[in-house]
Amino acid sequence: SQQGEEDPQALSIQEGENATMNCSYKTSINNLQWYRQNSGRGLVHLILIRSNEREKHSGRLRVTLDTSKKSSSLLITASRAADTASYFCATDDPQKLVFGQGTRLTINP
Amino acid sequence: GAGVSQTPSNKVTEKGKYVELRCDPISGHTALYWYRQSLGQGPEFLIYFQGTGAADDSGLPNDRFFAVRPEGSVSTLKIQRTERGDSAVYLCASSLSGTGAEQYFGPGTRLTVT
Repeated sequence: SQQGEEDPQALSIQEGENATMNCSYKTSINNLQWYRQNSGRGLVHLILIRSNEREKHSGRLRVTLDTSKKSSSLLITASRAADTASYFCATDDPQKLVFGQGTRLTINP
Repeated sequence: GAGVSQTPSNKVTEKGKYVELRCDPISGHTALYWYRQSLGQGPEFLIYFQGTGAADDSGLPNDRFFAVRPEGSVSTLKIQRTERGDSAVYLCASSLSGTGAEQYFGPGTRLTVT
């Protein structure tokens, strides 16, 4: 069974716009990670945020974590066509990762 | 350096047959994971190795599924008497330590059971 839920399930925006994806989870965590997946194959790690952190940045990515609401968000600024992919949040349990169902992001030129 | 590799990239087999899927992790990574991903879903955990031993096999769906990592590096996921419901992408990942660490994923093996 999957712990998290991503919202929205699909998102389509114009190139240059910002994209925001949300993730909710059910149990206490040590950290939360975001991954990107192209073409339904291997996942690429984007960012890890620990339970005692509230916000983290990496390039055009900004992740927030609200442990009181058991939720996280991923913001991609100035989107590019290459950002088209599925994005997953994953929580530790504690060693294995528990993934949500993902958000399918499409960037239109 | 080399990432996680998985072979074969695609496998088509008939219902009832036996299959083996191989994972070659990043050198030096002690933790190795297997996940299964169905279309439109996120990856689901199958089994986790720390070194040679299976530290957590709670995700294996039934006793037709088995995995080994005899020398603490390469791992093989074995599926007996395959069923059509086993069709999915099987993903392998490795990490340096295991607990809460970033996982590096291979490209996956797409298994199709006809």
